Amino acid sequence: DAGITQSPRHKVTETGTPVTLRCHQTENHRYMYWYRQDPGHGLRLIHYSYGVKDTDKGEVSDGYSVSRSKTEDFLLTLESATSSQTSVYFCAISERWEEGYTFGSGTRLTVV
Amino acid sequence: GDSVTQMEGPVTLSEEAFLTINCTYTATGYPSLFWYVQYPGEGLQLLLKATKADDKGSNKGFEATYRKETTSFHLEKGSVQVSDSAVYFCALTLNTGNQFYFGTGTSLTVIP
Repeated sequence: DAGITQSPRHKVTETGTPVTLRCHQTENHRYMYWYRQDPGHGLRLIHYSYGVKDTDKGEVSDGYSVSRSKTEDFLLTLESATSSQTSVYFCAISERWEEGYTFGSGTRLTVV
Repeated sequence: GDSVTQMEGPVTLSEEAFLTINCTYTATGYPSLFWYVQYPGEGLQLLLKATKADDKGSNKGFEATYRKETTSFHLEKGSVQVSDSAVYFCALTLNTGNQFYFGTGTSLTVIP
């Protein structure tokens, strides 16, 4: 494996609480991404980063924020969790887009 | 906008049957095309890719040819095995590194 770890693997949280998911890589790759996977939608990009402190929004960024203070860590925060954010969240990394992504194993988040 | 459309699943085949999963795309430029595979409980893994028209990507007995004239990138395998049971995603990127666009996935089950 390319050395990408997501934590936690599973989480149940209550509506209205903040939640932070962590993605950690040991590959020193420049690009990091957060996607969510939902039935019938495939994977949709939430946010991505192209370097330390350099981030940008994807197509479904509302209600989410990210931070990247070190090359190896990319944090996704749900500022106030809602039931519509129940999903499986995947982190991905890449150094050159031509090589495609390497994905983490995912975080299954349930908001009750 | 840029997008990928995959055939609806689920697909169920007997072992050693021929597999085709259709994928067509819409893109404003000249995309690179990818197939990813997701095994239960895991993240997506890159299966194969093609970066320009008429290229053929291949890996583990799977093949796909980039057809610009039909805007397609169909996945094929001559003889499937039980271990090929997974969800398959077609994806494109417009060579900027900013985002991949994924299809909704096609679930394949191979029965002995």
